[in-house]
Amino acid sequence: DAKTTQPNSMESNEEEPVHLPCNHSTISGTDYIHWYRQLPSQGPEYVIHGLTSNVNNRMASLAIAEDRKSSTLILHRATLRDAAVYYCILRGIQGAQKLVFGQGTRLTINP
Amino acid sequence: ETGVTQSPTHLIKTRGQQVTLRCSSQSGHNTVSWYQQALGQGPQFIFQYYREEENGRGNFPPRFSGLQFPNYSSELNVNALELDDSALYLCASSPREGGSGETQYFGPGTRLLVL
Repeated sequence: DAKTTQPNSMESNEEEPVHLPCNHSTISGTDYIHWYRQLPSQGPEYVIHGLTSNVNNRMASLAIAEDRKSSTLILHRATLRDAAVYYCILRGIQGAQKLVFGQGTRLTINP
Repeated sequence: ETGVTQSPTHLIKTRGQQVTLRCSSQSGHNTVSWYQQALGQGPQFIFQYYREEENGRGNFPPRFSGLQFPNYSSELNVNALELDDSALYLCASSPREGGSGETQYFGPGTRLLVL
């Protein structure tokens, strides 16, 4: 399973944008980049995913580097409810559709 | 639409006992995955069931076993419990349509404490 590297923790202020980085230098051509987050005392929650092009949805944006060796999850206006552990995960097309979680980034939002 | 549900929410067992955890998948989903999350760690993949067959397994011993039923609900069984089995057990369901873009929908988990 290709690995991802994320900062252990980040801090931001409410209503400001947040950019969460992820490095995945060993990504293969068929790996999708997924982001999940886990709020306190809850199961993980899907945020967004992409393959090559940047993606937007109601929760966030995903910016993927041209060489695909890194990506950035963007929360446009952070709220206190966005405080969570954010996981960047690579998913291949072979075998079980499992998610391989790393340590993730613990995001703290200051009021 | 009902989401993924798990029961029980909390459980206390002693070493050597056996435990069964249950998961009801989201409507229309035919794939269920189980994960173990130790305190302060990311979830670790245990195994996955697709249409009642095991479809992949992580690095867990055989005393971790599972079942999927015709309605796609699932059970995780752990025999001969050890102290290190204390963790949050998460179930996730997904609609297996092929490709790597499928989203997994997680339940709230069962917190197991082994004494």
